[in-house]
Amino acid sequence: DVKVTQSSRYLVKRTGEKVFLECVQDMDHENMFWYRQDPGLGLRLIYFSYDVKMKEKGDIPEGYSVSREKKERFSLILESASTNQTSMYLCASRRTSGRTDTQYFGPGTRLTVL
Amino acid sequence: GEDVEQSLFLSVREGDSSVINCTYTDSSSTYLYWYKQEPGAGLQLLTYIFSNMDMKQDQRLTVLLNKKDKHLSLRIADTQTGDSAIYFCAASLGTGANNLFFGTGTRLTVIP
Repeated sequence: DVKVTQSSRYLVKRTGEKVFLECVQDMDHENMFWYRQDPGLGLRLIYFSYDVKMKEKGDIPEGYSVSREKKERFSLILESASTNQTSMYLCASRRTSGRTDTQYFGPGTRLTVL
Repeated sequence: GEDVEQSLFLSVREGDSSVINCTYTDSSSTYLYWYKQEPGAGLQLLTYIFSNMDMKQDQRLTVLLNKKDKHLSLRIADTQTGDSAIYFCAASLGTGANNLFFGTGTRLTVIP
């Protein structure tokens, strides 16, 4: 079974703090994704990575950066957290080849910025 | 890109069938997916259908695809309280790392 883990289920931070969200997958997938989920807005793609050290902006990259130094790990960084970044953050991974484009998701990190 | 739309809420009585609908805009979508998200959890793949199929059945789940109308539905037979969750429709646009587009999700509430 594919396993995608996220470092925290719940996180509370203060405005202006630097926040790191970590995601690890154990299936040697090339592609990894960070989404945020907000009520009524569904999933919005923040950043994705298609290989080590490679990254692409998604639909809402402002206020975020990412790091992919190793294939299994994809980190989301909030340089200076703000209250409008309070959200559920979901990480996903996917193999490039294969019959389908199925993405496998982690359990999510609910971040509250005070 | 692609726009994928779903209604936000659906309520059904336990034992009834649920039908969750989804529309998408790009006719070149190759795979269409249904994901389930239980409270406080990530998304779990429920089922998917390839664009050259019009129906797929898997136990209590039936997926119908009307490619002409770009309409996808998920039917859950004999809906149980454990089926209460948010259901996301997603459409895949072929190759490329970022080719999966999600709907807003439909929150299904099952009334005992």
